[in-house]
Amino acid sequence: QVQLVQSGTEVKKPGASVKISCKASGYTFSTSGFSWVRQAPGQGLEWMGWINGDGGHTDSAQKFQGRVTVTTDASTSTSYMELTSLRSDDTAVYYCATSLVVAGVFESWGQGTLVTVSS
Amino acid sequence: DTQMTQSPSSLSASVGDRVTITCQASQDIKNYLNWYQQKLGKAPKLLIYDASNLQTGAPSRFSGSGSGTDFTLTISSLQPEDFATYYCQQYDNLPLTFGGGTTVDI
Repeated sequence: QVQLVQSGTEVKKPGASVKISCKASGYTFSTSGFSWVRQAPGQGLEWMGWINGDGGHTDSAQKFQGRVTVTTDASTSTSYMELTSLRSDDTAVYYCATSLVVAGVFESWGQGTLVTVSS
Repeated sequence: DTQMTQSPSSLSASVGDRVTITCQASQDIKNYLNWYQQKLGKAPKLLIYDASNLQTGAPSRFSGSGSGTDFTLTISSLQPEDFATYYCQQYDNLPLTFGGGTTVDI
C-alpha cells in the first residue's frame, strides 16, 4: 500500500525559509516522481514543482522559480520541498503527490503540511 | 500556461440527483485530464484519469467524458458521501494546472 507521510505544521516569519519532507513507502521509490501542490486557505489547488524518480530532473511553475527547490533522498525514500523568502501569502497547506503509473496523474497524496507565515 | 475553467463554482443538490460539472481548457489538452474529489481538511483523491477512466476503488456512479478542450464529470446518483469539492487538472503540458473547483453541497 502506497503511503506518503509529510512532516508537521510549521510557523515561520516573513523572509524565512521552510523545508517540508514527504516520506514514501509501499513502492519502489525511484520509479516515480513527486509533485508538490499547495492550497491557500479557502482556495484551490496550485502546482508548484516536480522532481523525477531518480532526482535527475526538476521543473517548477514560473511563479515559484528562484524560490522553490524540490529534492529527493533515495536512501530514505523521502522528497523535500524548500520554499524561501516566505511571505504572508505563502500561508497554505502543502501537499506532496506521486504518480506511479503516468506522470501527472496523482494517485497518492500526503496528508498535507500547514505552513503559516506571520510576523 | 493552460487555464482550466470549471463551472459551476458551486451547486446545491439532493441525494439521488444527477450532477454534472464541466471543465474547459484554454487550449487542446487531448485527453490528459484528471478529476479529483476533496473533502474538507483532507487531501484530494483521484477519481478519473485520462478524461474517462475510473480510478481503481472509485464508485461507478462517477464518470468522465470529453477531449480537446471540453470535459465533463458526472455523478449519476448523488450519495451523502459525495458532498465535496471537485477539481479538474490537466497534465498535457507544464505547468500542471487545476480548475478552480466545484463545491457540491446540499
